[in-house]
Amino acid sequence: GAVVSQHPSRVICKSGTSVKIECRSLDFQATTMFWYRQFPKQSLMLMATSNEGSKATYEQGVEKDKFLINHASLTLSTLTVTSAHPEDSSFYICSAIGPTADTQYFGPGTRLTVL
Amino acid sequence: DQQVKQNSPSLSVQEGRISILNCDYTNSMFDYFLWYKKYPAEGPTFLISISSIKDKNEDGRFTVFLNKSAKHLSLHIVPSQPGDSAVYFCAASKDGGTSYGKLTFGQGTILTVHP
Repeated sequence: GAVVSQHPSRVICKSGTSVKIECRSLDFQATTMFWYRQFPKQSLMLMATSNEGSKATYEQGVEKDKFLINHASLTLSTLTVTSAHPEDSSFYICSAIGPTADTQYFGPGTRLTVL
Repeated sequence: DQQVKQNSPSLSVQEGRISILNCDYTNSMFDYFLWYKKYPAEGPTFLISISSIKDKNEDGRFTVFLNKSAKHLSLHIVPSQPGDSAVYFCAASKDGGTSYGKLTFGQGTILTVHP
């Protein structure tokens, strides 16, 4: 099946710093990727839809200036959490539409802890 | 508001028996439903899906049932195996019956299958 990777898998940063998370489709090209966030004991919440070569579409309540998304190539989307605060601590997961557009393939997730 | 709900946070089943995971939704615009399985520190992996025009879909040990009038779906695993122990997420989409649009997830149910 299609493989999606994320880097880093875990990151700890100080409050006020920015953190970049990468999402890569390893063996296929993905024109559309999605970014989700999961708080403990809660469901995955869609943050934004990332389309290659265009601006991301953010869900209601998600600050686009805080969560910067760049989908510069067909295999890479990045999420940058700017001026991170402890309340941004969460599990961030990306997904990509598969090569035959049959389903979404999820990355392994990135655990962000902001001190 | 939580449009997709999995009211049972956990389920424990004996190996060889049937596991039944339940999911309820409130938005009548949803027309495609999916089940994902997630192991710790990994992203969700697709299990099985069903379109709103059907009431049952079967794939090996996994069967999904959809009751549109009750806005309820369930995942049956039979026979259950210890390797099935994971978190199961129900997800819904309203993108014309596709599995690659925006997904709304439930909170997940932790399934434990005892040998």
